[in-house]
Amino acid sequence: DGGITQSPKYLFRKEGQNVTLSCEQNLNHDAMYWYRQDPGQGLRLIYYSQIVNDFQKGDIAEGYSVSREKKESFPLTVTSAQKNPTAFYLCASSTGQGRHEKLFFGSGTQLSVL
Amino acid sequence: GNSVTQMEGPVTLSEEAFLTINCTYTATGYPSLFWYVQYPGEGLQLLLKATKADDKGSNKGFEATYRKETTSFHLEKGSVQVSDSAVYFCALLSGGSNYKLTFGKGTLLTVNP
Repeated sequence: DGGITQSPKYLFRKEGQNVTLSCEQNLNHDAMYWYRQDPGQGLRLIYYSQIVNDFQKGDIAEGYSVSREKKESFPLTVTSAQKNPTAFYLCASSTGQGRHEKLFFGSGTQLSVL
Repeated sequence: GNSVTQMEGPVTLSEEAFLTINCTYTATGYPSLFWYVQYPGEGLQLLLKATKADDKGSNKGFEATYRKETTSFHLEKGSVQVSDSAVYFCALLSGGSNYKLTFGKGTLLTVNP
């Protein structure tokens, strides 16, 4: 079955530590996205990538980094510079064809600070 | 810039009640409009969409009509079920140099038996 796999489902970060969230898709989609979800604030875009080896900052990129070395993979690193990392992180992908398309979402990673 | 405003929740209904969740938007050009649903502990799933004015999106008994004159895309269902309990997000996708969804804050719906 095609889909998006996020891992781990739960992740704990210590002070000053960098952590990496995994996102893999086998939908052959060109575009991939990372969103952060906080209670009562909806989803906010962190980074997105429309093609391999290219990515752009979203609305809240500070304290995060990404890479897109393979079409299937778009890992997100939450760095120690992100002072409030506790949130639910969602990865998504799309064909990248434009304005009528839909996003496919993974099941999310809940990140908490120890 | 683009923005989406949803009615604040939570919304609590009894089974078989009528549901309306209001959504209005601000966007440049002619956006596509979406409703996504998020069940507890899961990611979002597309519920329905409309790509031009007066289009009606529908799925699983839910409907929403793209109203350009009122910049609205209200979600409705005639008879809700307990299994409809979830968070509902209105979103828009506007063209330009990048195609990225703008989401509303979400509305939590709880349906009681």
